[in-house]
Amino acid sequence: GAGVSQTPSNKVTEKGKYVELRCDPISGHTALYWYRQSLGQGPEFLIYFQGTGAADDSGLPNDRFFAVRPEGSVSTLKIQRTERGDSAVYLCASSRGAGNEQYFGPGTRLTVT
Amino acid sequence: DQQVKQNSPSLSVQEGRISILNCDYTNSMFDYFLWYKKYPAEGPTFLISISSIKDKNEDGRFTVFLNKSAKHLSLHIVPSQPGDSAVYFCAASRGTYKYIFGTGTRLKVLA
Repeated sequence: GAGVSQTPSNKVTEKGKYVELRCDPISGHTALYWYRQSLGQGPEFLIYFQGTGAADDSGLPNDRFFAVRPEGSVSTLKIQRTERGDSAVYLCASSRGAGNEQYFGPGTRLTVT
Repeated sequence: DQQVKQNSPSLSVQEGRISILNCDYTNSMFDYFLWYKKYPAEGPTFLISISSIKDKNEDGRFTVFLNKSAKHLSLHIVPSQPGDSAVYFCAASRGTYKYIFGTGTRLKVLA
């Protein structure tokens, strides 16, 4: 079946702009995660959804970052007033439940100029 | 503070030989460990996992060893194949969902 998909694959934006990154999880997966991977680093946890609710948003770096999953499927990561330090690959993952292996999408490469 | 460390940024191995990738962690509360493989322009792909109640888990050519006293785990790939060339990340969690990743080791298998 289809894996986790993320759009866009690449996003270039100017400092101060607002961006939205979309994630389509594997069908039937109730858990969804966002990670951020900076150059030379491993993925860093941002937020975990179980169904529609954010069960753990402790990894969001500040209040410019927000994520939603209104119908328990597709999720959108929103970044306000982007900064150059936000440049990274944003990865989405999903799993059948919190105790199951996470399947990652290909990521969205965000570049803030 | 890096809780999961992969101290070797790169490793080259001849095809057919064993590849050993290492990972150290600092948090003794971690109870679940995983290895992911990542090709360029793709997301990480789950490879193998191990819970803290075990010291070894094997899946085909891949074996993960866990040494809790040393807070160390390793991934053995034998025999190594050119298609195994990728970046390998180890990850750990306390509980089941918040994975803490290492910085990765780039494996190159030479034909």
